[in-house]
Amino acid sequence: QVQLKESGPGLVQPSQTLSLTCTVSGFSLTSYDVHWVRQPPGKGLEWMGGIWGDGSTAYNSALKSRLSISRDTSKSQVFLKMNSLQTEDTAIYFCTRSITTDYWGQGVMVTVSS
Amino acid sequence: DIQMTQSPASLSASLGETVTIECRPSEDIYSGLPWCQQKPGKSPQLLIYNANSLHTGVPSRFSGSGSGTQYSLKINSLQSEDVASYFCQQYYDYPPTFGGGTKLELK
Repeated sequence: QVQLKESGPGLVQPSQTLSLTCTVSGFSLTSYDVHWVRQPPGKGLEWMGGIWGDGSTAYNSALKSRLSISRDTSKSQVFLKMNSLQTEDTAIYFCTRSITTDYWGQGVMVTVSS
Repeated sequence: DIQMTQSPASLSASLGETVTIECRPSEDIYSGLPWCQQKPGKSPQLLIYNANSLHTGVPSRFSGSGSGTQYSLKINSLQSEDVASYFCQQYYDYPPTFGGGTKLELK
């Protein structure tokens, strides 16, 4: 069945770089797009960006200067890297399949704090 | 960016009741709208896509409707397992944007 699972550090220091991995199963990254969505505590959801089956990417303009999304199709993994983290980047980070968000990962809580 | 105004923010209903949640995009999104359910501590689950299509395995008491700038999610015969937060999203235009969510509780 379709599964997505996020992994990464739970705590990141301000100004540092966040690196997250989304490991997928049950589908091919060359056939489906995968997106990153985050949810700050008590707040709404924000689309961050995505990577399509052909490897092309799109980013939220509010994050574009800090964000990079890539993948390793042989390992069925999608990567998120975001630099210059601030406390307002504290959030649950989800990866989702497809722009229709038909399947979501469990999410990973990332806290930005010194 | 397209703004998604979702209402109500919270809702209290009784078992067996029918509830409706609304989502109003700031411009026409041509039915590019899914509804998701999120239970506490769990990942969101897709219920409805393309405004009115039921996702695989979702109970038929959930239904979606609407077009243009007005959409709704209806839950018939509310069950205890439906206690959750619900949110809409638009994927018609970039960036995809989300409604603020509706927290559904039992009365």
